Amino acid sequence: AQTVTQSQPEMSVQEAETVTLSCTYDTSESDYYLFWYKQPPSRQMILVIRQEAYKQQNATENRFSVNFQKAAKSFSLKISDSQLGDAAMYFCAYRRSFNYGGATNKLIFGTGTLLAVQP
Amino acid sequence: SQTIHQWPATLVQPVGSPLSLECTVEGTSNPNLYWYRQAAGRGLQLLFYSVGIGQISSEVPQNLSASRPQDRQFILSSKKLLLSDSGFYLCAWSDRGGGYTFGSGTRLTVV
Repeated sequence: AQTVTQSQPEMSVQEAETVTLSCTYDTSESDYYLFWYKQPPSRQMILVIRQEAYKQQNATENRFSVNFQKAAKSFSLKISDSQLGDAAMYFCAYRRSFNYGGATNKLIFGTGTLLAVQP
Repeated sequence: SQTIHQWPATLVQPVGSPLSLECTVEGTSNPNLYWYRQAAGRGLQLLFYSVGIGQISSEVPQNLSASRPQDRQFILSSKKLLLSDSGFYLCAWSDRGGGYTFGSGTRLTVV
């Protein structure tokens, strides 16, 4: 079974600085998706960035980028120029590819990292 | 564009009372639908998923049930709530492109 591990329960960063959140996963599959979701105090789940496993290039969305190391099964999130609005719980998640058939394709979450941004 | 609606946003129910949470999706057809629960300070746990009308799969044994009476409607129910059913419930749908979209959630407090 696939698992996702976030080893940092809490992180803190100064405003305008850079922070990296760690995520590792375990799977025997070669084709899958990885995601980072942000959950602010409103508890709405917001997609931050996603990565297709078959793509070697790391995904980037404005100030958010990932370091995807497929062989190491590592998927870290880097937030540059941190802003107060970035303070939230961040979840790493895994989803198998539709190419494996079946219909579940459920999202498997890590336990989350609570990010605080200090002014 | 696709949207997902979930209601109510907040609910306080006594132990032993019934529950019905509703989720509807617009702008897509035959979506995969999911119910997740998030206990306070913890990650998300998948409760149910559905790949079509009337097709429900349960991930964990529990006091809850789910139904999908229409293609874009997903309902989470209970006949008698327990204190342990308190939590934050999220509905979500997914497409073949890998994307997941979540509803705004329901905060359920069982008293």
